[in-house]
Amino acid sequence: KAGVTQTPRYLIKTRGQQVTLSCSPISGHRSVSWYQQTPGQGLQFLFEYFSETQRNKGNFPGRFSGRQFSNSRSEMNVSTLELGDSALYLCASSLWTSGTGELFFGEGSRLTVL
Amino acid sequence: GQQVMQIPQYQHVQEGEDFTTYCNSSTTLSNIQWYKQRPGGHPVFLIQLVKSGEVKKQKRLTFQFGEAKKNSSLHITATQTTDVGTYFCALRGEAGGFKTIFGAGTRLFVKA
Repeated sequence: KAGVTQTPRYLIKTRGQQVTLSCSPISGHRSVSWYQQTPGQGLQFLFEYFSETQRNKGNFPGRFSGRQFSNSRSEMNVSTLELGDSALYLCASSLWTSGTGELFFGEGSRLTVL
Repeated sequence: GQQVMQIPQYQHVQEGEDFTTYCNSSTTLSNIQWYKQRPGGHPVFLIQLVKSGEVKKQKRLTFQFGEAKKNSSLHITATQTTDVGTYFCALRGEAGGFKTIFGAGTRLFVKA
């Protein structure tokens, strides 16, 4: 069974630009969650989607948004990029939402904002 | 909101020594999960604890859930260089306010 796939793996943007990251969950998984990982802040929860609905949201500004498609693939978008948005963005899928299921993480998308 | 404190932040050990990381919450948890992230890698699920006082073992790793379900620990016996990485605890489900909350992580360094 294929794992969680995130694209692109690496990208460089400049301040003010926007970026879209993609995540394909494990087949059959309907829950997709996103995390921002930085050396200083650790793993921070961004949002979680289940059956195309955003179920939970972390404490991030409105510049961070996401969506989930009917095939469970998810995208997250960051608009008006700031230097502080440089981070590893991880996507995880699970069978259930906000339950006790384990999270399966992708390799991540490493964003650098110049 | 729900938070979990994880200590220590870093731990340097000699190969063969033991290692322990702790997660503590001010409120009762319904469950807690543990993940390992190797340098340059992504978090990988290790285990989930649900019951009060639960103890689970995976080879040299021992996981405990406190009696009051407010703390948890991961203990590694006789560390090996393959144990290097960052260990995170995570709260999921209603204990996490329907959000997934990760501890800050403990980074383990093992010197051969």
